[in-house]
Amino acid sequence: EAGVVQSPRYKIIEKKQPVAFWCNPISGHNTLYWYLQNLGQGPELLIRYENEEAVDDSQLPKDRFSAERLKGVDSTLKIQPAELGDSAVYLCASSKAQGYEQYFGPGTRLTVT
Amino acid sequence: AQKVTQAQTEISVVEKEDVTLDCVYETRDTTYYLFWYKQPPSGELVFLIRRNSFDEQNEISGRYSWNFQKSTSSFNFTITASQVVDSAVYFCALKSGGGADGLTFGKGTHLIIQP
Repeated sequence: EAGVVQSPRYKIIEKKQPVAFWCNPISGHNTLYWYLQNLGQGPELLIRYENEEAVDDSQLPKDRFSAERLKGVDSTLKIQPAELGDSAVYLCASSKAQGYEQYFGPGTRLTVT
Repeated sequence: AQKVTQAQTEISVVEKEDVTLDCVYETRDTTYYLFWYKQPPSGELVFLIRRNSFDEQNEISGRYSWNFQKSTSSFNFTITASQVVDSAVYFCALKSGGGADGLTFGKGTHLIIQP
């Protein structure tokens, strides 16, 4: 069974530029999460989807961040415009349903210069 | 509010030694789930175990064992006869049974196994 797929793995952009990350969850997993992981820290939740509905986006900085999960499968996380402080690893995870173990993708390492 | 504390920032042991990683959690929920994840240098978080709050039975999986004690709000992880491949950052995480949130992670413990 394929795991969670994320792309790109690495991205370097200049500040004020837009950037987008893509995630394909494990087949059959209805719940999808986006996390942010700063160096030396544990991941922090940005947004959670149940199918195509964003049910918890309280931690998502909505002035510059947006996300979508069309058709309840793949998801895209966007930052526009990026700031220096956005440099981090962006992780996508999926689970059968909430409460079940979450399986993580390899992440996208974003560097904003 | 939920919180997970991993007081050990870094642990270094020699191969074949046993090592225990501590995890203390805080939650007001009566139903919750506890997890351990491993993050090797490659960066991908690997799921190790999930426990619900009603199951305090300790678990053993090969060289790995977990000790869940509700009385002390702890969910400690022991690796027996450590190996170099066990070197990684280990995260303990908590999820509310109410389900609104994702995982609340601790800051992780960097485990170094020296040959």
